Amino acid sequence: EIVLTQSPGTLSLSPGERATLSCRASQSVSSSYLAWYQQKPGQAPRLLIYGASSRATGIPDRFSGSGSGTDFTLTISRLEPEDFAVYYCQQYGSSPTFGQGTKVEIK
Amino acid sequence: EVQLVESGGGLVQPGGSLRLSCSASGFTFSSYAMHWVRQAPGKGLEYVSAISSNGGSTYYADSVKGRFTISRDNSKNTLYLQMSSLRAEDTAVYYCVKTRRVGAVHDAFDIWGQGTMVTVSS
Repeated sequence: EIVLTQSPGTLSLSPGERATLSCRASQSVSSSYLAWYQQKPGQAPRLLIYGASSRATGIPDRFSGSGSGTDFTLTISRLEPEDFAVYYCQQYGSSPTFGQGTKVEIK
Repeated sequence: EVQLVESGGGLVQPGGSLRLSCSASGFTFSSYAMHWVRQAPGKGLEYVSAISSNGGSTYYADSVKGRFTISRDNSKNTLYLQMSSLRAEDTAVYYCVKTRRVGAVHDAFDIWGQGTMVTVSS
């Protein structure tokens, strides 16, 4: 099983700032089968990024993903008020797993 | 509108059984692999199970293998999760999710249901 470790656990930032979230895999993620999701309280997760760097339908371009192999990054270029949420990475290879999440909170 | 609506959650005693259903609409259900993901209260996401578009292949996380059974009825556009020998640690919101691409099992999840709560307690 591939273990995904997200850092930091909590990110305290102000609107307008840049957010950089990390996801590290215990072994290489095949074919960049890496996704990022956003979850707000009381809501289901929403797909942001798939294939490590492709934005899902309707996702603003302030969200970007990068990385390959074992190290992946989600960047939010300028935080909007609605971006404060929990973010999960996921590898969707043969035995899918999720990271433990990074909470982006208002500073 | 593409939509997934789960039902069947509730309170069940340890060792009991429950069947979750997920009704799909707004897309060609029979063309997509489907999955279940759960989230314990205040915790992160945990992958549970997958089924291919025609139901011929299934996958289970080790934590539920031998106790849960995933199935689908493409004529009714419905996904199921039969859960038995339930434990306290199975308490969670269970989400039905759709894969992004036609036919692909190993893919990101682009549509999520609102979830149904399962509580295992005496």
